[in-house]
Amino acid sequence: GAGVSQSPRYKVAKRGQDVALRCDPISGHVSLFWYQQALGQGPEFLTYFQNEAQLDKSGLPSDRFFAERPEGSVSTLKIQRTQQEDSAVYLCASSLAGGGNEQFFGPGTRLTVL
Amino acid sequence: RKEVEQDPGPFNVPEGATVAFNCTYSNSASQSFFWYRQDCRKEPKLLMSVYSSGNEDGRFTAQLNRASQYISLLIRDSKLSDSATYLCAVNVGTGNQFYFGTGTSLTVIP
Repeated sequence: GAGVSQSPRYKVAKRGQDVALRCDPISGHVSLFWYQQALGQGPEFLTYFQNEAQLDKSGLPSDRFFAERPEGSVSTLKIQRTQQEDSAVYLCASSLAGGGNEQFFGPGTRLTVL
Repeated sequence: RKEVEQDPGPFNVPEGATVAFNCTYSNSASQSFFWYRQDCRKEPKLLMSVYSSGNEDGRFTAQLNRASQYISLLIRDSKLSDSATYLCAVNVGTGNQFYFGTGTSLTVIP
């Protein structure tokens, strides 16, 4: 069966550009998570969806970050007016349910902001 | 204080050695614990869940110590292929937010 997929795998943006990162979770997984991972660090939580509902967005670093999952499946993380400090790997994970269930990660999108 | 702390290492061990990593967590209400393995420039892959009674999967043993608020991962008979970064993940109560440690780097030397 297919795992979590993400696209693009690599994205280079000029400072000030908007970017959109896509995540396709494992089929049937209710919960979807976005994380940001800087070099040499562990993943940092950004936001969480249960089906189409965004239940927790406490980790989004600024109002330039926006995530959606309109049909409870594919999710998009959008970053407006990118800054150099946004450069990181953005990981998406899904789990069968919430509440501390095991999460399975996609390959990530490596974003470089010049 | 960070929610989850790990010794970043690096741990350099010879093949066949036994190595152990600890991960401390700050919130006593934490309920779910996991170890992930992350290879260079790859995504974290679930290695094993950590159960209250401890659990074993081949050469890997995970344990939870609630009193001292840490989890551990023991790798026996290390293989070259075990070289990776090992991340612990902890969630809080019934919450969905996972906190990850910074990872512990392991290199197994021939």
